[in-house]
Amino acid sequence: QKEVEQNSGPLSVPEGAIASLNCTYSDRGSQSFFWYRQYSGKSPELIMFIYSNGDKEDGRFTAQLNKASQYVSLLIRDSQPSDSATYLCAAYRGGGGNKLTFGTGTQLKVEL
Amino acid sequence: DGGITQSPKYLFRKEGQNVTLSCEQNLNHDAMYWYRQDPGQGLRLIYYSQIVNDFQKGDIAEGYSVSREKKESFPLTVTSAQKNPTAFYLCASGQGALVNIQYFGAGTRLSVL
Repeated sequence: QKEVEQNSGPLSVPEGAIASLNCTYSDRGSQSFFWYRQYSGKSPELIMFIYSNGDKEDGRFTAQLNKASQYVSLLIRDSQPSDSATYLCAAYRGGGGNKLTFGTGTQLKVEL
Repeated sequence: DGGITQSPKYLFRKEGQNVTLSCEQNLNHDAMYWYRQDPGQGLRLIYYSQIVNDFQKGDIAEGYSVSREKKESFPLTVTSAQKNPTAFYLCASGQGALVNIQYFGAGTRLSVL
Protein backbone atom coordinates (compact mmCIF):
# COMPACT_ATOMS: atom_id res chain seq x y z
CA GLN A 1 0.00 0.00 0.00
CA LYS A 2 1.36 3.40 -0.94
CA GLU A 3 1.67 5.88 1.89
CA VAL A 4 -0.11 8.62 -0.03
CA GLU A 5 -2.53 7.58 -2.75
CA GLN A 6 -4.14 9.62 -5.48
CA ASN A 7 -6.16 8.69 -8.54
CA SER A 8 -3.89 9.40 -11.50
CA GLY A 9 -6.75 10.63 -13.67
CA PRO A 10 -7.08 12.40 -15.96
CA LEU A 11 -9.98 14.15 -14.28
CA SER A 12 -11.87 16.18 -16.84
CA VAL A 13 -14.23 18.98 -15.83
CA PRO A 14 -15.91 21.69 -17.90
CA GLU A 15 -14.86 25.29 -17.46
CA GLY A 16 -16.67 26.91 -14.55
CA ALA A 17 -17.36 23.62 -12.76
CA ILE A 18 -16.01 22.44 -9.41
CA ALA A 19 -13.05 20.08 -9.60
CA SER A 20 -12.65 17.67 -6.70
CA LEU A 21 -9.27 16.06 -6.14
CA ASN A 22 -8.84 13.36 -3.53
CA CYS A 23 -5.99 11.88 -1.56
CA THR A 24 -5.77 9.18 1.11
CA TYR A 25 -2.87 8.49 3.43
CA SER A 26 -1.90 5.48 5.48
CA ASP A 27 0.26 6.97 8.26
CA ARG A 28 -2.00 8.07 11.11
CA GLY A 29 0.92 10.04 12.53
CA SER A 30 0.79 12.48 9.62
CA GLN A 31 0.32 15.98 10.96
CA SER A 32 -0.09 18.28 7.99
CA PHE A 33 -0.94 17.99 4.33
CA PHE A 34 -0.04 19.93 1.22
CA TRP A 35 -1.38 20.42 -2.25
CA TYR A 36 1.06 21.34 -5.00
CA ARG A 37 0.23 22.18 -8.59
CA GLN A 38 2.66 21.09 -11.29
CA TYR A 39 2.37 22.21 -14.88
CA SER A 40 3.89 19.93 -17.49
CA GLY A 41 7.67 20.27 -17.51
CA LYS A 42 7.70 22.64 -14.54
CA SER A 43 8.40 22.31 -10.85
CA PRO A 44 5.67 21.97 -8.19
CA GLU A 45 4.24 25.12 -6.65
CA LEU A 46 2.44 25.18 -3.34
CA ILE A 47 -1.28 25.88 -3.46
CA MET A 48 -2.41 25.17 0.09
CA PHE A 49 -1.63 23.32 3.27
CA ILE A 50 -3.93 22.12 6.02
CA TYR A 51 -3.34 20.55 9.44
CA SER A 52 -6.67 20.82 11.26
CA ASN A 53 -9.77 18.75 10.58
CA GLY A 54 -12.32 20.59 8.49
CA ASP A 55 -12.13 23.03 5.63
CA LYS A 56 -9.63 25.73 4.75
CA GLU A 57 -10.46 28.18 2.01
CA ASP A 58 -8.18 30.37 -0.07
CA GLY A 59 -9.80 32.10 -3.01
CA ARG A 60 -11.16 29.48 -5.42
CA PHE A 61 -9.42 26.68 -3.53
CA THR A 62 -10.71 24.73 -0.53
CA ALA A 63 -8.72 22.05 1.23
CA GLN A 64 -10.58 19.52 3.35
CA LEU A 65 -9.07 17.22 5.95
CA ASN A 66 -10.66 14.27 7.73
CA LYS A 67 -8.08 12.62 9.96
CA ALA A 68 -10.46 9.89 11.15
CA SER A 69 -10.93 8.74 7.56
CA GLN A 70 -7.33 9.62 6.60
CA TYR A 71 -8.61 11.64 3.70
CA VAL A 72 -7.59 14.97 2.19
CA SER A 73 -9.26 16.72 -0.70
CA LEU A 74 -8.84 19.85 -2.78
CA LEU A 75 -11.82 21.59 -4.34
CA ILE A 76 -11.31 24.09 -7.14
CA ARG A 77 -14.34 26.29 -7.76
CA ASP A 78 -15.02 27.99 -11.09
CA SER A 79 -12.37 25.87 -12.79
CA GLN A 80 -10.39 27.60 -15.51
CA PRO A 81 -8.34 26.14 -18.38
CA SER A 82 -5.28 27.54 -16.58
CA ASP A 83 -6.01 25.12 -13.73
CA SER A 84 -5.16 22.21 -16.05
CA ALA A 85 -2.15 20.62 -14.40
CA THR A 86 -1.12 17.72 -12.20
CA TYR A 87 -1.96 18.14 -8.53
CA LEU A 88 0.33 16.50 -6.00
CA CYS A 89 -0.80 15.66 -2.49
CA ALA A 90 1.87 15.39 0.22
CA ALA A 91 1.81 14.35 3.87
CA TYR A 92 4.16 15.46 6.62
CA ARG A 93 4.72 13.37 9.70
CA GLY A 94 7.13 15.56 11.57
CA GLY A 95 9.92 14.27 13.72
CA GLY A 96 13.28 13.33 12.23
CA GLY A 97 14.00 14.71 8.81
CA ASN A 98 10.93 16.86 8.33
CA LYS A 99 10.18 14.83 5.24
CA LEU A 100 7.21 15.07 2.93
CA THR A 101 5.71 11.95 1.36
CA PHE A 102 4.19 12.64 -2.04
CA GLY A 103 1.44 10.92 -3.94
CA THR A 104 1.86 10.30 -7.65
CA GLY A 105 -0.49 13.15 -8.58
CA THR A 106 -3.84 13.59 -10.29
CA GLN A 107 -3.95 15.13 -13.75
CA LEU A 108 -6.73 17.70 -14.09
CA LYS A 109 -8.04 18.85 -17.45
CA VAL A 110 -10.42 21.79 -17.60
CA GLU A 111 -12.24 21.80 -20.90
CA LEU A 112 -13.69 24.79 -22.70
CA ASP B 1 14.59 38.27 -5.21
CA GLY B 2 14.18 35.31 -2.86
CA GLY B 3 14.05 31.79 -4.07
CA ILE B 4 15.78 28.59 -5.01
CA THR B 5 18.07 28.47 -8.01
CA GLN B 6 18.94 25.23 -9.74
CA SER B 7 21.47 24.91 -12.50
CA PRO B 8 21.87 23.85 -15.17
CA LYS B 9 18.35 23.55 -16.54
CA TYR B 10 19.39 20.68 -18.84
CA LEU B 11 22.29 18.31 -18.36
CA PHE B 12 23.64 15.41 -20.36
CA ARG B 13 25.71 12.64 -18.88
CA LYS B 14 28.04 10.29 -20.70
CA GLU B 15 28.52 6.69 -19.66
CA GLY B 16 30.76 6.42 -16.58
CA GLN B 17 30.68 10.14 -15.88
CA ASN B 18 29.83 11.88 -12.62
CA VAL B 19 27.78 15.06 -12.92
CA THR B 20 26.90 17.66 -10.31
CA LEU B 21 23.64 19.55 -10.06
CA SER B 22 23.68 22.88 -8.29
CA CYS B 23 21.09 24.15 -5.82
CA GLU B 24 21.30 27.52 -4.06
CA GLN B 25 18.69 29.17 -1.84
CA ASN B 26 18.46 32.63 -0.31
CA LEU B 27 15.38 31.96 1.80
CA ASN B 28 17.46 31.36 4.93
CA HIS B 29 15.89 27.92 5.30
CA ASP B 30 17.66 25.35 7.45
CA ALA B 31 16.48 22.29 5.55
CA MET B 32 17.17 21.36 1.94
CA TYR B 33 16.04 18.39 -0.08
CA TRP B 34 16.71 16.61 -3.37
CA TYR B 35 13.94 14.75 -5.18
CA ARG B 36 13.81 12.73 -8.35
CA GLN B 37 10.73 12.65 -10.58
CA ASP B 38 10.24 10.12 -13.36
CA PRO B 39 7.55 10.59 -16.03
CA GLY B 40 4.07 10.16 -14.60
CA GLN B 41 5.46 9.58 -11.13
CA GLY B 42 5.45 11.44 -7.87
CA LEU B 43 8.52 12.82 -6.16
CA ARG B 44 10.98 10.44 -4.53
CA LEU B 45 13.40 11.72 -1.90
CA ILE B 46 17.10 11.23 -2.63
CA TYR B 47 18.87 13.10 0.18
CA TYR B 48 18.01 15.76 2.70
CA SER B 49 19.85 18.03 5.07
CA GLN B 50 18.51 19.79 8.12
CA ILE B 51 21.67 21.64 9.05
CA VAL B 52 25.06 22.55 7.64
CA ASN B 53 27.58 19.68 7.52
CA ASP B 54 24.87 17.09 8.09
CA PHE B 55 22.69 15.16 5.67
CA GLN B 56 20.70 11.93 5.55
CA LYS B 57 19.79 9.41 2.90
CA GLY B 58 16.29 9.45 1.55
CA ASP B 59 14.44 6.59 -0.10
CA ILE B 60 16.60 6.28 -3.23
CA ALA B 61 20.11 7.47 -2.26
CA GLU B 62 22.08 4.77 -4.06
CA GLY B 63 24.22 6.22 -6.84
CA TYR B 64 23.99 9.77 -5.52
CA SER B 65 26.05 11.91 -3.16
CA VAL B 66 25.59 15.35 -1.60
CA SER B 67 27.39 17.90 0.53
CA ARG B 68 26.17 20.75 2.72
CA GLU B 69 29.12 23.02 3.42
CA LYS B 70 27.05 26.21 3.42
CA LYS B 71 23.49 26.88 4.51
CA GLU B 72 22.67 28.28 1.09
CA SER B 73 24.02 25.43 -1.01
CA PHE B 74 23.19 21.74 -1.40
CA PRO B 75 24.76 20.26 -4.55
CA LEU B 76 23.84 16.78 -5.77
CA THR B 77 26.31 14.53 -7.60
CA VAL B 78 24.92 11.80 -9.79
CA THR B 79 27.66 9.19 -9.87
CA SER B 80 28.45 6.56 -12.48
CA ALA B 81 26.95 4.02 -10.06
CA GLN B 82 23.49 5.40 -10.83
CA LYS B 83 22.59 3.26 -13.83
CA ASN B 84 19.32 4.94 -14.68
CA PRO B 85 19.89 8.65 -14.08
CA THR B 86 17.50 10.06 -16.68
CA ALA B 87 14.91 12.05 -14.70
CA PHE B 88 13.77 15.47 -13.57
CA TYR B 89 15.67 16.51 -10.45
CA LEU B 90 14.10 18.93 -8.03
CA CYS B 91 15.72 20.76 -5.15
CA ALA B 92 13.61 22.15 -2.32
CA SER B 93 14.15 24.06 0.86
CA GLY B 94 11.88 24.23 3.85
CA GLN B 95 11.25 25.45 7.33
CA GLY B 96 8.83 24.65 10.12
CA ALA B 97 7.99 21.98 12.65
CA LEU B 98 4.20 21.44 12.67
CA VAL B 99 3.90 22.54 9.07
CA ASN B 100 6.99 21.90 6.97
CA ILE B 101 6.41 24.02 3.88
CA GLN B 102 8.80 23.16 1.10
CA TYR B 103 9.50 25.38 -1.88
CA PHE B 104 10.97 24.08 -5.09
CA GLY B 105 13.52 25.25 -7.58
CA ALA B 106 12.84 25.11 -11.32
CA GLY B 107 14.48 21.72 -11.68
CA THR B 108 17.24 20.13 -13.73
CA ARG B 109 16.43 17.68 -16.47
CA LEU B 110 19.18 15.05 -16.77
CA SER B 111 19.56 12.80 -19.77
CA VAL B 112 22.08 10.15 -20.75
CA LEU B 113 23.99 10.49 -24.00
